[in-house]
Amino acid sequence: EVQLVESGGGLVQPGGSLRLSCATSGFTFSDYSMNWVRQAPGKGLEWVSYISSASSTMYYADSVKGRFTISRDNAKNSLYLQMSSLRDEDTAVYYCASSRSRIVGDWGQGTLVIVSS
Amino acid sequence: DIQMTQSPSSLSASVGDRVTITCRASQDIRNDLAWFQQKPGKAPKSLIYAASSLQSGVPSKFSGSGSGTDFSLTISSLQPEDFATYYCQQYKSYPRTFGQGTKVEIK
Repeated sequence: EVQLVESGGGLVQPGGSLRLSCATSGFTFSDYSMNWVRQAPGKGLEWVSYISSASSTMYYADSVKGRFTISRDNAKNSLYLQMSSLRDEDTAVYYCASSRSRIVGDWGQGTLVIVSS
Repeated sequence: DIQMTQSPSSLSASVGDRVTITCRASQDIRNDLAWFQQKPGKAPKSLIYAASSLQSGVPSKFSGSGSGTDFSLTISSLQPEDFATYYCQQYKSYPRTFGQGTKVEIK
């Protein structure tokens, strides 16, 4: 069974940092590209970042560029999102999602990040 | 960036109804379009890719069509478990962009 399990969310003050993790199982992680997608409370889906299977290519939404860093550890079957200089508008549920040949397949259950003083 | 516009934003329908949601891209995306279903408090679920191909395990009551800039998702006979919000997403280029969502509610 494919599983993607996010962790690391929580309450953080504006300007603070947080590191999200996505632990995966049930598929060959190193064969898949990965994404982070977020959803602010009551809002739609917003793509955040992408990393290729071998970490050779990364992309970011303009809204997080320069503040967020995506990474992965294929030996640990895990994906990460280092978030810094957090803003109120970064408050959201963050989902990790796998993709292959550009097509998103499986999603995690999400982890909630609240940026507030 | 490619803008994705869904219509309607919400709709009310009855069990058994045929429902169609449309998605328009601001530029030609060939058939690089996916559809996702999201139920309240749950993660999105992938339904369709390449505009019309069903993800594994997705029932055939869901169908997608279109290419270029105009796309649609049809649910042939709405069932209680289909009441949810549906999103389209283009994957022709980065940044990936989603439509604003269409909420399908019970009439």
